[in-house]
Amino acid sequence: AQKITQTQPGMFVQEKEAVTLDCTYDTSDPSYGLFWYKQPSSGEMIFLIYQGSYDQQNATEGRYSLNFQKARKSANLVISASQLGDSAMYFCAMSHLTGNQFYFGTGTSLTVIP
Amino acid sequence: EPEVTQTPSHQVTQMGQEVILRCVPISNHLYFYWYRQILGQKVEFLVSFYNNEISEKSEIFDDQFSVERPDGSNFTLKIRSTKLEDSAMYFCASIERSASTDTQYFGPGTRLTVL
Repeated sequence: AQKITQTQPGMFVQEKEAVTLDCTYDTSDPSYGLFWYKQPSSGEMIFLIYQGSYDQQNATEGRYSLNFQKARKSANLVISASQLGDSAMYFCAMSHLTGNQFYFGTGTSLTVIP
Repeated sequence: EPEVTQTPSHQVTQMGQEVILRCVPISNHLYFYWYRQILGQKVEFLVSFYNNEISEKSEIFDDQFSVERPDGSNFTLKIRSTKLEDSAMYFCASIERSASTDTQYFGPGTRLTVL
């Protein structure tokens, strides 16, 4: 069963603008973690931001913030002030306390336009 | 900052040959993972490893695959008889204690090409 859904295969954003990458998830486990990773063309997976299921506040890390809406089961990534170096694939992932497995979405390709 | 390392960065092999992909997880981490990513596709879970044994594996992880922690630092993925469809990027990852609270750190990946 699909546990992580990223509905935007490709996104474009103007440099210096903000962009939101969508992610919805499906789980019945009350304890889980939500992650975003960036994968540039070089191929490595770079951790960006983490949100725990019990966290009351939305996570922020520099220009990255996670818009966590638990009732809607969504965990959208917001990148503010986009830079050319932000052009990459972005993967949303979820982990469970039980099983210790990570589930990845299909990814969103972000292109920042100068 | 500690990091997960993987060797080799690129491996080319003939179909039917055995390959061993090597990973050195972060030293105080307890859970280890292998993932693969076929070019242009999503990251797929293969196997998780804890306390010197497999804790979970996916349908992809069939009898052709095996994992080992031969010493205190290395974590290996062996593919016994490679197939063309095994061509992919293979990522190793590790977490410190708990998958729901700890960040999973990825290695740089090994690109496997099966000819």
